[in-house]
Amino acid sequence: AQRVTQVQPTGSSQWGEEVTLDCSYETSEYFYRIFWYRQLFSGEMVFLIYQPSFDTQNQRSGRYSVVFQKSFKSISLVISASQPEDSGTYFCALSEPGNSNYNVLYFGSGTKLTVEP
Amino acid sequence: NAGVIQTPRHKVTGKGQEATLWCEPISGHSAVFWYRQTIVQGLEFLTYFRNQAPIDDSGMPKERFSAQMPNQSHSTLKIQSTQPQDSAVYLCASSLAQGNTEVFFGKGTRLTVV
Repeated sequence: AQRVTQVQPTGSSQWGEEVTLDCSYETSEYFYRIFWYRQLFSGEMVFLIYQPSFDTQNQRSGRYSVVFQKSFKSISLVISASQPEDSGTYFCALSEPGNSNYNVLYFGSGTKLTVEP
Repeated sequence: NAGVIQTPRHKVTGKGQEATLWCEPISGHSAVFWYRQTIVQGLEFLTYFRNQAPIDDSGMPKERFSAQMPNQSHSTLKIQSTQPQDSAVYLCASSLAQGNTEVFFGKGTRLTVV
């Protein structure tokens, strides 16, 4: 069963606009973390931000922030003032705690974002 | 810090041949993960080592695939008798073993089985 769902296969914006990418997930764990990664055209995965389940405050890191709706098991990545360099595929990933697999990531299918100049 | 290093970046093998993929984790990281990425299946977890010990290989295909971590500075993923459906980008990642830490990815090895 798919644990992480990203329903937007593609997205686009103009330079300077705010972009929101959506993600939903399934877990029965109380403690978990949601990560956002961007995959460059080279294939490299770049860490952007993560949200721990126990923190009710939405995390922020530079131009990246999240909107965490825990009760709906959904989280959105918000990119402010988007730039063409932000183009790439964005992945949401779930990590569930456990004795042996705390850092194992379960990925969504990704959203390919294009930011037009 | 050179990051997670994966070699080779590209590998082409003939059907039925063996392929060995290498990963050098970030120095000091004791957790190493292998993932596979295809267009159809997306990013799939394969296996995970902590302090060189195999912890979880639930994502590994039952046949032909094996992974090892003989020392703390490298891990290998070996595919025997490669098949066209093994064609994928194989990503290695590492992190500190404790929880609440970032996972760093290598640039991947693109395996093509012809």
